[in-house]
This record gives sequence, C-alpha cells and structure tokens, in this order.
Amino acid sequence: SQQGEEDPQALSIQEGENATMNCSYKTSINNLQWYRQNSGRGLVHLILIRSNEREKHSGRLRVTLDTSKKSSSLLITASRAADTASYFCATIQGAQKLVFGQGTRLTINP
Amino acid sequence: NAGVMQNPRHLVRRRGQEARLRCSPMKGHSHVYWYRQLPEEGLKFMVYLQKENIIDESGMPKERFSAEFPKEGPSILRIQQVVRGDSAAYFCASSPDRGTEKLFFGSGTQLSVL
Repeated sequence: SQQGEEDPQALSIQEGENATMNCSYKTSINNLQWYRQNSGRGLVHLILIRSNEREKHSGRLRVTLDTSKKSSSLLITASRAADTASYFCATIQGAQKLVFGQGTRLTINP
Repeated sequence: NAGVMQNPRHLVRRRGQEARLRCSPMKGHSHVYWYRQLPEEGLKFMVYLQKENIIDESGMPKERFSAEFPKEGPSILRIQQVVRGDSAAYFCASSPDRGTEKLFFGSGTQLSVL
C-alpha cells in the first residue's frame, strides 16, 4: 500500500507563481523526504524533514510537517520553467524501505 | 565521482525472453534498491539488497523476478520469461548506509516487451 499520497495529482501554474503540493501518510514516521523527477530521468532528493521539525527551508523550497495530521507540504516559491517535473514524497515503511507516493505533476507555463 | 549507473538505458525484449538490468551504485555505497515505475505513476519498491544479501524483497513478484548484489560487480535485476506487463521503467538507487535518509537514483532502464 502507498504510504504517501500527494495532492493534487497535477498542477499547472504561471512562471513566477508559487506552487504548493501536499502529502498525506498513514503511519508514524521518523522523517519525510521530497524528491523531484524530470521526465524520463531518475529521482533527485530535494529535502528531508524530521518528525521533530515543523518547517524546513532550502533555497526556494519550503517544507512543512504536521505529524498530528500526518501531512506535509512542499512550497516552491517564484516558480521557473525548470521546476516543471513530478514531485514525490517518501517515507520509510518498516525498517528498511523508502516508499513513494503517486506524485504531483507540476507544469510551469512561461 | 560518478553517480548511480544503470545499463542498458533502453532494453527491448520479446515475450518469453530474459531481461537483465544492471546497476552500479555510487562509489562507497553498499545498499541498493530497485524500484519499478509505470507511466504516470509513482515508484513501486521491489527489493533492497546489501552486498551478497537480500534484505527486503517484499515488493518482488514471486515468480520470474530475481535480484542479486554480488561482492564484486553490479547489482543485477533479472526477469525471466518476460511478459508485456513487465514493460516499465526500472530504477536503481543506492545509499551509503542503512537508514535511507537519502537515496541516489540512476537514470533508469526502460524495458519494452514486444
């Protein structure tokens, strides 16, 4: 079963606008990760937020975590065409494996 | 420092043939993960290996699929007697140690079964 579920499934915005993607998960976590996948490529790690953190920043990325609601959000500010990609949240299931959600397909229109 | 290397990049097989997908982890990484991705979907975990050991194969189909990570050489994902439903992108990822706090992914192998 999917541990993380992203919302929305697809998002299309204008360049310069902010993009917000959400992720919900089901079980307790130690950390939650966000990855980006450009079309036809492998995933690239963006940011990790630990369960005792509420917010984390990295450049134009801002991630929040609400463990009481079992949800996280990824905000990309001042979007660029190069941000067009699929974004996945991931959590550790069991002791070993990283499980990904279905992803949000983000399109930035020039 | 080369990243995770997967080959071939594209693999075409006819039904019933065998597919062998290779993954060389990043230098110094001893943990390898294989994932499968269908179009417009997320990555589905298949198997987690350390050198010479299968740690978690809960995502592997019970038949036709096998994986290994020998002491020397790349990790191999082997699919015997391929069927059209095996067509997908297969991604390998590696990490330096247990904990999966950050995985490094290869560019994937696109398997097409005719």
